[in-house]
Amino acid sequence: AQRVTQPEKLLSVFKGAPVELKCNYSYSGSPELFWYVQYSRQRLQLLLRHISRESIKGFTADLNKGETSFHLKKPFAQEEDSAMYYCAGETSGSRLTFGEGTQLTVNP
Amino acid sequence: GAGVSQSPRYKVAKRGQDVALRCDPISGHVSLFWYQQALGQGPEFLTYFQNEAQLDKSGLPSDRFFAERPEGSVSTLKIQRTQQEDSAVYLCASSQGSDQPQHFGDGTRLSIL
Repeated sequence: AQRVTQPEKLLSVFKGAPVELKCNYSYSGSPELFWYVQYSRQRLQLLLRHISRESIKGFTADLNKGETSFHLKKPFAQEEDSAMYYCAGETSGSRLTFGEGTQLTVNP
Repeated sequence: GAGVSQSPRYKVAKRGQDVALRCDPISGHVSLFWYQQALGQGPEFLTYFQNEAQLDKSGLPSDRFFAERPEGSVSTLKIQRTQQEDSAVYLCASSQGSDQPQHFGDGTRLSIL
């Protein structure tokens, strides 16, 4: 069965510190992987997708097929990065399978 | 509109009542998805439409849940004989097609008393 796991429900860092949000997946075939973010009182929105290989708001994520991971990283966290982050995978049929989410708090 | 619109934003119903949740996707988006998000959990897939065709309903938890998109635009998720475990946020998302990013609405928060 397709599964996405985010081992940390809560993550707290200080402003300017590096941050890494972990995501592991279990899929047959080659899934497409995403990170979605939900800021306070806003809707869920796409942050980045692995196929684009972009850096959005300073965040990057690299697909590691050997470790079946897609961790989200940012070298210097900002207070405005505080939000709920969801990792999600997609296979043919376009349905997304989400992890449980990680609440990131960046302290001043 | 500029984004996916869902109504109502909040719905309170007594156990046993029927409810209907509406989703207006982004204009021109072919694909439409419904997800259920329980408190403290990630969204879970319910069903998927491509235009008016319901291509996947494997995530619907029981036959009390029914979704339709008769003209390939607006969609309605109906829950019959609601139960307390149906309390959740129901999210709608739309996309231009397969392999395109999904855009989410604000959701409908359903509370069953």
